[in-house]
Amino acid sequence: AQKITQTQPGMFVQEKEAVTLDCTYDTSDQSYGLFWYKQPSSGEMIFLIYQGSYDEQNATEGRYSLNFQKARKSANLVISASQLGDSAMYFCAMRERGTNFGNEKLTFGTGTRLTIIP
Amino acid sequence: EAQVTQNPRYLITVTGKKLTVTCSQNMNHEYMSWYRQDPGLGLRQIYYSMNVEVTDKGDVPEGYKVSRKEKRNFPLILESPSPNQTSLYFCASSLRYGGQGGSSYGYTFGSGTRLTVV
Repeated sequence: AQKITQTQPGMFVQEKEAVTLDCTYDTSDQSYGLFWYKQPSSGEMIFLIYQGSYDEQNATEGRYSLNFQKARKSANLVISASQLGDSAMYFCAMRERGTNFGNEKLTFGTGTRLTIIP
Repeated sequence: EAQVTQNPRYLITVTGKKLTVTCSQNMNHEYMSWYRQDPGLGLRQIYYSMNVEVTDKGDVPEGYKVSRKEKRNFPLILESPSPNQTSLYFCASSLRYGGQGGSSYGYTFGSGTRLTVV
């Protein structure tokens, strides 16, 4: 079973509109972290936002916010007032502690390619 | 500047010719990892290292080797590359995950190495 599921392979959004990128996750751990990364066409991985499993408030970083619904195991990224420079691939990822600190890792979804239309 | 440095950025090689992709971090991170990125599959972990001389397999280790003789360096070795190892490779480092850490427990990624094996 997929640990991280991103069901939207691609999205087209008009400039200045808000956009929500979906992410659901699967874990039996109580303690975990959820991340969103942006990958522009140049290829680098850019950290956007983080949500800890014990955080009660939804994370926000500028125009980015994370809609965390723990019971539903979802961690959707919301970008407000989209800009042309937001066109990129977006990855949701989860970090789990692992059973013995020896196998912790960041598990990625397959990504959503977002295209902002002028 | 805190960073992960990968070299080379681009590499074209022939089947069977041994190669090494270097990775170095200057943040004194314990945890380092290699990922490969393929279209439609997201990023998959190849190998990881919890600290000096401590390495272990990730999800797709076949055909790869790593070593961690110093804390800052974590090279990826392809002893006999094959065309199915053509991919975009990322090295990443992190503080050791404590389970409830903040965004600093995310990974810092290198700029990527685009490898083509012909």
